[in-house]
Amino acid sequence: AQSVSQHNHHVILSEAASLELGCNYSYGGTVNLFWYVQYPGQHLQLLLKYFSGDPLVKGIKGFEAEFIKSKFSFNLRKPSVQWSDTAEYFCAVNDNNAGNMLTFGGGTRLMVKP
Amino acid sequence: EPEVTQTPSHQVTQMGQEVILRCVPISNHLYFYWYRQILGQKVEFLVSFYNNEISEKSEIFDDQFSVERPDGSNFTLKIRSTKLEDSAMYFCASSRVVGGEQYFGPGTRLTVT
Repeated sequence: AQSVSQHNHHVILSEAASLELGCNYSYGGTVNLFWYVQYPGQHLQLLLKYFSGDPLVKGIKGFEAEFIKSKFSFNLRKPSVQWSDTAEYFCAVNDNNAGNMLTFGGGTRLMVKP
Repeated sequence: EPEVTQTPSHQVTQMGQEVILRCVPISNHLYFYWYRQILGQKVEFLVSFYNNEISEKSEIFDDQFSVERPDGSNFTLKIRSTKLEDSAMYFCASSRVVGGEQYFGPGTRLTVT
């Protein structure tokens, strides 16, 4: 079965610092990849997605992620974080051979200090 | 922008009672899902639903659980006889196409006492 790992459980950054959150998945078949964000008190929102094509995908709010198939990775990046980026970030994978279900990583709680 | 909505936001129930969690998916979406997140753990898939039937379910989704689309807008999750370990945040989601991005509701926090 597919599993998803997010290496950092808690990250604390100062504003303007660069961000990279790791995500690795276990199964190497055809996958769709997602990053979701959950701001305090709000629901999960899609940040960006990868289905095919250019492995560098750009999402909302200046976030981007790079799909590296050989490393089974889909790391999330942002060159300069803001205080409003404080949230929990979830990587999720849809294994095309296993239907529609999303398999989630454990989440990374990001705190950005003003 | 259309959103997935869920009611209630918080449900407290006693062990052994039945609960029904309600969701209104985005109107032109065809695929519906339930996930749950026990406090401190990962978001876990429970079930997916398409064309008025279950298309996939996880091991968690045992005979105590059922889903229904009773009308053209609502999508419900029923737990027949709740257990303490059913306490979790339950998220409904919907998608327009198979494998596409899933849009999540705000969740229902279920507390079983």
